Amino acid sequence: DAGITQSPRHKVTETGTPVTLRCHQTENHRYMYWYRQDPGHGLRLIHYSYGVKDTDKGEVSDGYSVSRSKTEDFLLTLESATSSQTSVYFCAISGGGDQPQHFGDGTRLSIL
Amino acid sequence: GQQVMQIPQYQHVQEGEDFTTYCNSSTTLSNIQWYKQRPGGHPVFLIQLVKSGEVKKQKRLTFQFGEAKKNSSLHITATQTTDVGTYFCAAYSSASKIIFGSGTRLSIRP
Repeated sequence: DAGITQSPRHKVTETGTPVTLRCHQTENHRYMYWYRQDPGHGLRLIHYSYGVKDTDKGEVSDGYSVSRSKTEDFLLTLESATSSQTSVYFCAISGGGDQPQHFGDGTRLSIL
Repeated sequence: GQQVMQIPQYQHVQEGEDFTTYCNSSTTLSNIQWYKQRPGGHPVFLIQLVKSGEVKKQKRLTFQFGEAKKNSSLHITATQTTDVGTYFCAAYSSASKIIFGSGTRLSIRP
């Protein structure tokens, strides 16, 4: 498997608290992605990055922000978590804009 | 925006039976990718199709890309318990954004 590490793997927090998820890669890939996966919705793109400090929104970006200060790290922040953001979050990387994506193991986030 | 529709949502088969999942788009696709996600796991890339009418095989799995590049299918011959999981198709809507189908969950009776 590609060198992708997501942290934490599990998190339980309360509504209104800030939450940051981290994705770390050792592949030096240019593209990094954050998805959320919910039953019946498949994988939905939240934000993605096409280089250091270069990011763009996906289809479900409201309530989320991202940062990429170096190639290997892509952070996803929920500024004020809501129960609707309870989900499994996957990070993915790819070497090119239309190349296959390689996924991390996911973070299971529960917001009470 | 571009959507990728995938059917069926669920498929429950007897071990040894065949399985097919279909992916359809209203717009022409530049390519299509297929992923498999085992229960509790993460999506894993299986294959990418690029050419009109392309057919690729991986052991018991056959992948097809339609002539008009608007649809694709994944067919599994003689399913085994190791085939259990959810199969996703995915296509790029623009330069770097990928759209995933909602997936087909395959379960198998031994």
